[in-house]
Amino acid sequence: GENVEQHPSTLSVQEGDSAVIKCTYSDSASNYFPWYKQELGKGPQLIIDIRSNVGEKKDQRIAVTLNKTAKHFSLHITETQPEDSAVYFCAASGEDSSYKLIFGSGTRLLVRP
Amino acid sequence: GAGVSQSPRYKVAKRGQDVALRCDPISGHVSLFWYQQALGQGPEFLTYFQNEAQLDKSGLPSDRFFAERPEGSVSTLKIQRTQQEDSAVYLCASGRGLTYEQYFGPGTRLTVT
Repeated sequence: GENVEQHPSTLSVQEGDSAVIKCTYSDSASNYFPWYKQELGKGPQLIIDIRSNVGEKKDQRIAVTLNKTAKHFSLHITETQPEDSAVYFCAASGEDSSYKLIFGSGTRLLVRP
Repeated sequence: GAGVSQSPRYKVAKRGQDVALRCDPISGHVSLFWYQQALGQGPEFLTYFQNEAQLDKSGLPSDRFFAERPEGSVSTLKIQRTQQEDSAVYLCASGRGLTYEQYFGPGTRLTVT
């Protein structure tokens, strides 16, 4: 089955700097890659996603890139703000995995003011 | 509009008790997923429904876990004879269809003492 690995497990950046979180997946049949932000005591919030027919997607300060050949995808946050501090999860899904999301282990992002 | 809601938000059960966790998906959403999130980890898939049909229950950890969605809207996850290892946050997600985005509720934190 699918396996998703996520790095780093923790990331501390200065406000205004960029943050990059990377994930790799094992199942070449996966074709949907969402990113979630989870704040303490809350459920995961979908912040951006990408499908395998595109290589990059951007939404204001957030962008995601996908390399299908290498089976890895990344989240880029520019001009980080203290409110970006949270745990971020990548996930992968596809028809062969019955559309369920397989999550990475999470990255705790701390943005220092 | 209203998001996914779950109740109760917190549940404390003594070992051996039965519990029932409720999920109200976003109105009109066809797909409904249950995930289990242990402390400090990413969510792990339990089961999913398309309307009232349970299409995949491969993630349910034992036959003590049972889920239903009899009318294709509200879903209930039941855990019989709870054990300490069942302590976790149980997340529900819904989507417009299997190939669409999944939106999560706030979760139910279950503590088994």
